Amino acid sequence: QVQVVESGGGVVQPGTSLRLSCAASGFSFSTYGMHWVRQAPGKGLEWVAVIWSDGNNKYYADSVKGRFTMSRDSSKNTLYLQMNSLRAEDTAIYYCARHSTGWSLDYWGQGTLVTVSS
Amino acid sequence: QSALTQPASVSGSPGQSITISCTGTSSDVGGYNHVSWYQQHPGEAPKVMIYEVTRRPSGVSNRFSGSKSGNTASLTISGLQAEDEGDFYCISYTSSNTYVFGTGTKVTVL
Repeated sequence: QVQVVESGGGVVQPGTSLRLSCAASGFSFSTYGMHWVRQAPGKGLEWVAVIWSDGNNKYYADSVKGRFTMSRDSSKNTLYLQMNSLRAEDTAIYYCARHSTGWSLDYWGQGTLVTVSS
Repeated sequence: QSALTQPASVSGSPGQSITISCTGTSSDVGGYNHVSWYQQHPGEAPKVMIYEVTRRPSGVSNRFSGSKSGNTASLTISGLQAEDEGDFYCISYTSSNTYVFGTGTKVTVL
């Protein structure tokens, strides 16, 4: 069955970096776009970034542009989110999700918590 | 990239129908049919309920339906049931090749 599992979250200090991973299984990872979505504690969903199947086309929310970089390794069926210059407002649960052929996010992981605090 | 506007809360009695609106601009909701809706229960990941404005994924109850008029998309839940409680979010593709979520709506079954 389709599964995506995030990892890499933790507690970090402001200004530092962290890399999240999302391991995909049960589908042809190389043929699907993938998204990162985050949710601050007690807040709503915020779209973060998308990478299309070719791995070259990537788009980011203004709030993370220039600080976050999304990438994928189809040989490992893994998605990444490199987060630099982290701020307190980046504290959130980070979800990866598959982009469906119907332009929705059809499969989601359970998320990984990132806490940015001094 | 301003969030799409949704009502903060909507409530209804069991069996009633409720509608949640999602208002954007001609650069997102009004410009594309790439609008989808998600239900999220506390502590869980979101689940897609409607995609491409009106389409329902396999396994989602036909009590859920979607529509769009101009810059506003809507999700209607008919025959409201206790299990329909939760937070609902819309999301739209935008003219900047990005996506934007709605502000979220808490649905309460009275």
